[in-house]
Amino acid sequence: DSGVTQTPKHLITATGQRVTLRCSPRSGDLSVYWYQQSLDQGLQFLIQYYNGEERAKGNILERFSAQQFPDLHSELNLSSLELGDSALYFCASSVGAGVGQPQHFGDGTRLSIL
Amino acid sequence: AQKITQTQPGMFVQEKEAVTLDCTYDTSDPSYGLFWYKQPSSGEMIFLIYQGSYDQQNATEGRYSLNFQKARKSANLVISASQLGDSAMYFCAMRFGRGSTLGRLYFGRGTQLTVWP
Repeated sequence: DSGVTQTPKHLITATGQRVTLRCSPRSGDLSVYWYQQSLDQGLQFLIQYYNGEERAKGNILERFSAQQFPDLHSELNLSSLELGDSALYFCASSVGAGVGQPQHFGDGTRLSIL
Repeated sequence: AQKITQTQPGMFVQEKEAVTLDCTYDTSDPSYGLFWYKQPSSGEMIFLIYQGSYDQQNATEGRYSLNFQKARKSANLVISASQLGDSAMYFCAMRFGRGSTLGRLYFGRGTQLTVWP
């Protein structure tokens, strides 16, 4: 158990819909990261938060947004969903953003768009 | 640009044997960290081992060791005494110590390891 909790584990929805993925980081971790894993793109970094503030953006679409709340949990919002958004979405957390600090991953949310 | 390369899409090893999974990287940044993660078929990502760019000794964690050759820019994972439960996808990842990319992980495409009895 990594200590990172993601809900829901599975999500099935239709094109055009909006979903929210939730992440609770490990106790004491201030940094939260979101990644998308798909067969064609592999593991892609989406966005990073540190103690409530956005720190870095990666390959995140404009239809996607995220935030980190005062209690440090984070949500990833995906809207106007397309078939290509079907993927495994991971949340990871670490104490900080230092080079030597491993990121611990949640079990992921598997999103299927029908 | 930062880049991680895993050239072995699949590897097979017999139980109790050792196996090496290759990883090469490309960066001009002197400060970086190298990580290996395991992803079983159930999907979760499990952190295995870490090596810092300034570390003089190769990292070890139980049956896992990292063969770090800085001049060759390689960070191969060695699994000793393979077990059936080691069958999984293994990812090499990199993290940088400064700049706009600070914090995020860059991943290779992974190597699917199959351990047979």
